[in-house]
Amino acid sequence: QKEVEQNSGPLSVPEGAIASLNCTYSDRGSQSFFWYRQYSGKSPELIMSIYSNGDKEDGRFTAQLNKASQYVSLLIRDSQPSDSATYLCAVKMDAGGTSYGKLTFGQGTILTVHP
Amino acid sequence: DVKVTQSSRYLVKRTGEKVFLECVQDMDHENMFWYRQDPGLGLRLIYFSYDVKMKEKGDIPEGYSVSREKKERFSLILESASTNQTSMYLCASSLATPDTQYFGPGTRLTVL
Repeated sequence: QKEVEQNSGPLSVPEGAIASLNCTYSDRGSQSFFWYRQYSGKSPELIMSIYSNGDKEDGRFTAQLNKASQYVSLLIRDSQPSDSATYLCAVKMDAGGTSYGKLTFGQGTILTVHP
Repeated sequence: DVKVTQSSRYLVKRTGEKVFLECVQDMDHENMFWYRQDPGLGLRLIYFSYDVKMKEKGDIPEGYSVSREKKERFSLILESASTNQTSMYLCASSLATPDTQYFGPGTRLTVL
């Protein structure tokens, strides 16, 4: 079983719709959760970080974390063609304090927003 | 703003050559990481470092070594480049807390 799994995609939504990206993780003790966006040929850039259960909103982006279900999601409201990219979920696993910030990444979900 | 820079955007090397990839961060981050990214395989951690002269193997360290002589600089070394090391190489850095990783622009390495 993969440690961090994302919905396989690709995901295609019309402009203005809500895009929903999902991620599950295997380590119940995981502490920190991140969403990165990666445009083709570019490096990942951070969109959101979330550490506590519940929702965290930043502009059109909302991250949702449910530690009991081991589930983290990213909602993009009013999707724009410029949101078309690969979205990576990353999780800091519980390594007893010796993880040194090491993250485990999902495979990524390709999102296409069409006009 | 955090800035992570990598020595080259594109690099072409011959099989058997020794290759150095350099990464520099300007935010006094403790942790630094080297990944490779290949289609269908995602981001895979090669090595990371949590302090000067300290290093830890990641998931795929074979064929690579690293050096961290100064806090801001983390080098990835391919001792004898092979064609299966053709890839995009990404460097990242983070503080101990918070642990958000920031990525450099990447080096696309081709080994012929």
